[in-house]
Parts: sequence; structure tokens; C-alpha cells
Amino acid sequence: AQSVTQPDIHITVSEGASLELRCNYSYGATPYLFWYVQSPGQGLQLLLKYFSGDTLVQGIKGFEAEFKRSQSSFNLRKPSVHWSDAAEYFCAVATTSGTYKYIFGTGTRLKVLA
Amino acid sequence: DSGVTQTPKHLITATGQRVTLRCSPRSGDLSVYWYQQSLDQGLQFLIQYYNGEERAKGNILERFSAQQFPDLHSELNLSSLELGDSALYFCASSGAGVTQETQYFGPGTRLLVL
Repeated sequence: AQSVTQPDIHITVSEGASLELRCNYSYGATPYLFWYVQSPGQGLQLLLKYFSGDTLVQGIKGFEAEFKRSQSSFNLRKPSVHWSDAAEYFCAVATTSGTYKYIFGTGTRLKVLA
Repeated sequence: DSGVTQTPKHLITATGQRVTLRCSPRSGDLSVYWYQQSLDQGLQFLIQYYNGEERAKGNILERFSAQQFPDLHSELNLSSLELGDSALYFCASSGAGVTQETQYFGPGTRLLVL
């Protein structure tokens, strides 16, 4: 069965520091992969997505993610975090064939210290 | 602002009752998705409609139903409500309803069942 794991429930970084949020998935083939951000009281906003091709994907707000097939990972990175990046981040996996499934990870809450 | 609207923003009701949540997709989008976000279950995909027809079903309970109307707005009906149905319900929309598309999320309806 497909699954998504975000091992870190909470992460705290200082403003200006680099950030990496981890995401591991389980799926029989290469799935479609997504990262979303949810600010307090808001809906989800797509940061970036990966379907195929270049394994380093650029997104909005200065985020990027790298797909590593050998590690079944799709980690999100940002070189320098801003206070406004404090939010909850969700990794999601969608099936590429058969019955449609869209599965979210449990989320990582990011706190940014001034 | 994603362009997706959801009403009401908040809803408080009692166990055993029935409620209807409404979603208007972005202008031009034909597909609507419903999601449930709760502390217990995290973010879960419930159901997808495309141009009035059900396209995909996720973890939607039998007590829940949805439909998409000719004007493309959608309603999610929740009946025989239980305490555990308390959650944030999101609607999202996309153009053609294919997995690779970006989904635009509304701000959600927060349901509290007492």
C-alpha cells in the first residue's frame, strides 16, 4: 500500500539558517510527489511537484526538493529561512496508474526563531 | 487568495445532525476535490468530482455524500454526525482533474460536533 512518512513532527530553525524537511514514500513505481504549505488558519498551497525528468525541482518562495529514487525520498530544502516560512508543511504522493489515490504525510510544523 | 470559496467558515452542530458544506471552484476549473483534516487522521482525500460526475473516491464514509452541480459548485453532505467528524474540511479545485495538475485549496470549513 502507498504511504508517506514525514519523520519530523516539529522543526525549529533560526532565521537565515538552511532548512531540510524530510519525506519518504512507499509506492511500487515512481509516484507523483508534492509539497504543500499550510499557514495558520489557511488552506494548503502547493510549493512544488515532481512527475518526471530532472530530479531537482524548483518551487515557489525559494523552495526546492530533490527526488531520490534509491532512497524513496523527496526532501524539501530552502537555503535561508525567513520568519514568514513558519507554517506546517505536507508532503503528498499521488498514484500514477490504477485507482486514484492522493496521500498526505502527517506534516512537519516549522518554527522560525528571530 | 486561491479563488476557491467555501461556506460556511465555521459550523457548530450536535451529534446525529446533518450539515451541508459548500464549495465554489475557481473560475474555469471543472474538478472539485474534498479533503478532511483532523488531529486523529491527518489530511485525507475524500472524493473528487469532474464536471458533475464522480471521478475518484477516497476515505469517504457512507454517512457522507457529495455532488457537483451544473454550475460546478459542489456540496459535501455529512449526516448522522459523530464527535469524531469534527474536523477542518477543505475543498480544492483544478482545471481538468488530472493528477498532475495543481490543486487550489479553499480556506476550509471548520466543523465542530458537540
